[in-house]
Amino acid sequence: QQPVQSPQAVILREGEDAVINCSSSKALYSVHWYRQKHGEAPVFLMILLKGGEQKGHEKISASFNEKKQQSSLYLTASQLSYSGTYFCGTTRRNAGNMLTFGGGTRLMVKP
Amino acid sequence: DTAVSQTPKYLVTQMGNDKSIKCEQNLGHDTMYWYKQDSKKFLKIMFSYNNKELIINETVPNRFSPKSPDKAHLNLHINSLELGDSAVYFCASSQVTGGELFFGEGSRLTVL
Repeated sequence: QQPVQSPQAVILREGEDAVINCSSSKALYSVHWYRQKHGEAPVFLMILLKGGEQKGHEKISASFNEKKQQSSLYLTASQLSYSGTYFCGTTRRNAGNMLTFGGGTRLMVKP
Repeated sequence: DTAVSQTPKYLVTQMGNDKSIKCEQNLGHDTMYWYKQDSKKFLKIMFSYNNKELIINETVPNRFSPKSPDKAHLNLHINSLELGDSAVYFCASSQVTGGELFFGEGSRLTVL
């Protein structure tokens, strides 16, 4: 069962912040975040393995609430290069550890 | 050197035909995958292949079959192509199952 992402789309001005949420109805083992630019392959941003874990990548960070089966991706002081579609992916221990992606959040950063 | 490479990048074919997409990774990873991305950008896992263990997403029609001649290659064979098979197919690999994915550039399949 695929995770649910919200919002589906976000439009920002350069320098603004955004939060993308990812939730699952099943117990999770890990959460991944990827970014895909138009016409390109998805690119790995980060993976969160433990409940409560937070990770950062430049001005992009994420948190994982294992109890709520939720993760959030935080983009601060957004740059034009942040534009693209963000996907969360989740794995479950009893599902072969296969990564299942959410529907994606399309982010557009304008000057 | 491209880490995960797929061929062909574009494929246009008629309904009912059989086609294959090849994938090779030079990262020494143990697990390879096939994902399908439809026109709405949904990325759907199709197969996971690790040390001869194949895990299939149960929603994938049996017209799709992965073939792995060795650890570095995982090809996708599709029989009796249908219009709904039109999509971008991504091959990916990871060091361990469930680990960071490295994607190929994708193969855009169009079925007419």
